[in-house]
Amino acid sequence: GQQLNQSPQSMFIQEGEDVSMNCTSSSIFNTWLWYKQDPGEGPVLLIALYKAGELTSNGRLTAQFGITRKDSFLNISASIPSDVGIYFCAGRNYGGSQGNLIFGKGTKLSVKP
Amino acid sequence: NAGVTQTPKFQVLKTGQSMTLQCAQDMNHNSMYWYRQDPGMGLRLIYYSASEGTTDKGEVPNGYNVSRLNKREFSLRLESAAPSQTSVYFCASSGSFGQYFGPGTRLTVT
Repeated sequence: GQQLNQSPQSMFIQEGEDVSMNCTSSSIFNTWLWYKQDPGEGPVLLIALYKAGELTSNGRLTAQFGITRKDSFLNISASIPSDVGIYFCAGRNYGGSQGNLIFGKGTKLSVKP
Repeated sequence: NAGVTQTPKFQVLKTGQSMTLQCAQDMNHNSMYWYRQDPGMGLRLIYYSASEGTTDKGEVPNGYNVSRLNKREFSLRLESAAPSQTSVYFCASSGSFGQYFGPGTRLTVT
């Protein structure tokens, strides 16, 4: 079946640092979504991407839909403590029904001790 | 505008017991979904409903049934709970920009 690899699995941030994470797919997607999940809560949609090459920002967050349509990245600039959480990418492929949204396993962002 | 709501928030069941997880959305979305989330596994689709009156299996449907009661409500039923169904369950509905999730139900089966 389709696979969506998200990396890194986890990372530690210091306040003020820039953060980058990415997802790659074994097949072409026509939609990429990025979510953030806080402990005990459901995932919250951050950014949605619909076209290859599309670059979209939401405050300090920037995400891009890769030209190959098989990857996407999310950058967080000047991180702050409330950025801590788990970030998920999700993709939907050509011809997929509304149900065929595939999720990565998440990138856990923690604060450096 | 509450978005997607789920009840209960927590539940403990004994093996073999049954229960229904409730989900409702007030965003007038056609599509609704049930996922389970396990550590290290991300979100896995159990069932979805593209519109009122239709349901389809997702990646992990075994042991579950669903009912799309009306456009607002989509329930998930465990007929005979098993310890392997211990998980966090999320309901979602889909609008123009993506899927929107409820707060989750944390289920433990002993």
